Amino acid sequence: QQPVQSPQAVILREGEDAVINCSSSKALYSVHWYRQKHGEAPVFLMILLKGGEQKGHEKISASFNEKKQQSSLYLTASQLSYSGTYFCGTEMPNNAGNMLTFGGGTRLMVKP
Amino acid sequence: DGGITQSPKYLFRKEGQNVTLSCEQNLNHDAMYWYRQDPGQGLRLIYYSQIVNDFQKGDIAEGYSVSREKKESFPLTVTSAQKNPTAFYLCASRGRGQGKKFFGPGTRLTVL
Repeated sequence: QQPVQSPQAVILREGEDAVINCSSSKALYSVHWYRQKHGEAPVFLMILLKGGEQKGHEKISASFNEKKQQSSLYLTASQLSYSGTYFCGTEMPNNAGNMLTFGGGTRLMVKP
Repeated sequence: DGGITQSPKYLFRKEGQNVTLSCEQNLNHDAMYWYRQDPGQGLRLIYYSQIVNDFQKGDIAEGYSVSREKKESFPLTVTSAQKNPTAFYLCASRGRGQGKKFFGPGTRLTVL
């Protein structure tokens, strides 16, 4: 079951913040976040496993709500290098470690 | 350097021909995956393999076939039965017990 990402696209000025959401109708085992530059392979950002978990590195962080049905990716003080398409990938409890189902992606463009 | 290689980067074929996409990894990962990505879309799982000589269908396996004779290699054949094969194909791998997936650089297949 494909997770739903929102918004589909975001345009920011350098230094602005953005939030990308990833929602499922059922409780998840895990949420993975990836960023993909045009024509390149997706690059792993982080994985969240526990309800209520928050994780981050420098100015990119993510949370996983208590019910484990929604995750949000936070980009603060955005940089030009943050531009790309962000995907969340989700695993269900009955198929963890096997099938990672990706959302439709959120296209982020950071302008000077 | 450890990683995943896919070849070729660009591939052109005539309609009705079978074509095989290569994926090799030297990360000693047990699990390997094939995804298809259409323009502006997310990644959809074609096939995955958790161990040598075993593989499972993903969400869109029809018209594709795979083999896993060696741990390092997971080739994907796009058969003439695939109605719309033009797409960007990504191979990925994951180590046992790890959440993070590593993606190869992708092969862009165009069927003329």
